[in-house]
Amino acid sequence: GAGVSQSPRYKVAKRGQDVALRCDPISGHVSLFWYQQALGQGPEFLTYFQNEAQLDKSGLPSDRFFAERPEGSVSTLKIQRTQQEDSAVYLCASSLRDQTYEQYFGPGTRLTVT
Amino acid sequence: AQSVTQLGSHVSVSEGALVLLRCNYSSSVPPYLFWYVQYPNQGLQLLLKYTTGATLVKGINGFEAEFKKSETSFHLTKPSAHMSDAAEYFCAVTVPLGTGGSYIPTFGRGTSLIVHP
Repeated sequence: GAGVSQSPRYKVAKRGQDVALRCDPISGHVSLFWYQQALGQGPEFLTYFQNEAQLDKSGLPSDRFFAERPEGSVSTLKIQRTQQEDSAVYLCASSLRDQTYEQYFGPGTRLTVT
Repeated sequence: AQSVTQLGSHVSVSEGALVLLRCNYSSSVPPYLFWYVQYPNQGLQLLLKYTTGATLVKGINGFEAEFKKSETSFHLTKPSAHMSDAAEYFCAVTVPLGTGGSYIPTFGRGTSLIVHP
């Protein structure tokens, strides 16, 4: 079956532009996580959805970051007024139930802010 | 909150040699532990996980890991390295729901495995 997909795979934005990153989780997966992965680092938690409910957004770096999952499937991570420090790979992962289950990761979106 | 430390940002082995990637964790409650592998320009893929029960866990591609509570470790091993094992490896920790710890999965900084012919 299809895995987790993310689009676009690569995004170049000029500083100050808004960007929207999309995640299509595996069908039927309840939980969805967004992570930020800086070069040479492990994934850092951004936010967590259980179905359409955003249960935790404590990892979002600033109020320029916003995530939604309105129908409990596809999720969008939006970054407003991008800054150079936002350059990273943004990973989406879904799991069948909760964080104790295996997470299935998408390939990520590499964001470069110039 | 939980934490993970991966000792060694790079590990270099010869093809056919033993692979040992180290992971130590910190958790105030019994943890769930995971190893993921990441190939270039790809997402993370689960190698194996420990939740409860047998402390020696076998995963895909010949990898295994042993949960040692007394040493707070979950080291990843493979008896004989293949060239195709060259990748980035991440250890991660979380805790069961309702145990009081943070459910947010915490990842280590990763260890790059280099395999020489």
